Amino acid sequence: QTVVTQEPSFSVSPGGTVTLTCGLNSGSVSTSHYPSWYQQTPGQPPRTLIYSANVRSFGVPDRFSGSILGNQAALTITGAQADDESDYYCLLYIGRGIWVFGGGTKLTVL
Amino acid sequence: QVQLEQSGAEVREPGASVKISCEASGYTFINYYIHWVRQAPGQGLEWVGIINPSSGKTTYGQKFQGRVTVTRDTSTSTVYMELSSLISEDTAVYKCVREDYDSRSFDLWGPGTMVTVSS
Repeated sequence: QTVVTQEPSFSVSPGGTVTLTCGLNSGSVSTSHYPSWYQQTPGQPPRTLIYSANVRSFGVPDRFSGSILGNQAALTITGAQADDESDYYCLLYIGRGIWVFGGGTKLTVL
Repeated sequence: QVQLEQSGAEVREPGASVKISCEASGYTFINYYIHWVRQAPGQGLEWVGIINPSSGKTTYGQKFQGRVTVTRDTSTSTVYMELSSLISEDTAVYKCVREDYDSRSFDLWGPGTMVTVSS
C-alpha cells in the first residue's frame, strides 16, 4: 500500500524559514507525481498553495515555494508569519488515476 | 460565479448507504475532473475517488473499492457520490474538488457535506 509521508509537526520562528517535506514509501517523489500542497486552518476548507511541484496558485504569496529536494517534494515558507500557522497537506499522483494525501504537518509559528 | 455547491448534511445508521451531490456552475462541466476528498473530525484529508465528467470514467481509492460509486449527470452538471455499508469511521466531511487536468491543479473546492454515521 502506498503511503505518503510528512512530518507530523514542525515549528518555526516568526520571520524564519521552514521546509516541509513529502515522501513516498515506495520510492522517490518526482514531477511525474504532480506534487501539490494545501494549507488548512481549523474550520476552513483547504487552500491550494502549490501544484505540479513548484507552481504557485493564483494569489499565493511568493514566500511559499515548492520544489523537489532529493527524493522528496518540499514546501518552503520564507519569512514565516503568524497566520501561516496551519496544517499543511501534500498530495501525490501515484498512477492509474489514483491520488494519495500525506498525513499532514501541523506548523506552529512561535 | 465559478463554484461547487454540495448537498446538505446527512445522518445514517451503520450498514446504510448515503448519496451526496456536488453541482458545478460557472464553467464548462465536462472540461474538468471532479474528485471526492473526505476529512474525519480532527483527522487529515483522504482521497476517495475521481470521475471524468466527460467520459464518466471513475477511479477509486483502494480503501473504498466496492463501497463507493461516483456518477455524473451532465444535464445538470452534477456529480454524485454514493457510499454503502457505512461504518462509524465513515463519519466525515466529504468535499468535491475540481481538477484542471492540464495543470493537474486541484483549483476549486466545494464547501463540504457532513455525513454522520451513528446508531
